[in-house]
Amino acid sequence: DQQVKQNSPSLSVQEGRISILNCDYTNSMFDYFLWYKKYPAEGPTFLISISSIKDKNEDGRFTVFLNKSAKHLSLHIVPSQPGDSAVYFCAASLGPSGTYKYIFGTGTRLKVLA
Amino acid sequence: EPEVTQTPSHQVTQMGQEVILRCVPISNHLYFYWYRQILGQKVEFLVSFYNNEISEKSEIFDDQFSVERPDGSNFTLKIRSTKLEDSAMYFCASNLGLGNQPQHFGDGTRLSIL
Repeated sequence: DQQVKQNSPSLSVQEGRISILNCDYTNSMFDYFLWYKKYPAEGPTFLISISSIKDKNEDGRFTVFLNKSAKHLSLHIVPSQPGDSAVYFCAASLGPSGTYKYIFGTGTRLKVLA
Repeated sequence: EPEVTQTPSHQVTQMGQEVILRCVPISNHLYFYWYRQILGQKVEFLVSFYNNEISEKSEIFDDQFSVERPDGSNFTLKIRSTKLEDSAMYFCASNLGLGNQPQHFGDGTRLSIL
């Protein structure tokens, strides 16, 4: 099941710079996309989401961009902080309501260097 | 902020034994989920539960698995006869079920089958 892919297993960024994490999906029926952050020994923590009717959603330092034609979404973190160092998962769903399960990517480990 | 809580944090069980993983979802949430993450792999959906019924289950969720909401607060995952390949992190999640409300995850139970 490769419906959601994160092709970069790791990323290192200097503190204060932009972090860009990428995610590709194959199922054109996906309607709702999310990014989660995960620290070791903790569960995934919700960061930001976007509906397929939008191409951008912003929340503080975090912005998610959706390109439906390319089946691609990205998470921008500006400015990056050392506390952002974690594993980031993108997830996709057929809809935003509770009826739908999430399909996760394999994750990208972000390291923000002080 | 309300949290999803899971117990125990680590469970070690002999192969063939039954195990019950426990979760207390966020109190006003209506949809409940179990996911698992085998070491080094992606987070995978197991089952969703709403209105005291299974809404959807994955191929992984075979007859050895069952879920129950025995009272108004707990949500449990039972594995009847554990196998070595059941070793994984098991995450419980819940959400309100209304549009654009993300699933909130617990910190997981690490299940080790010997």
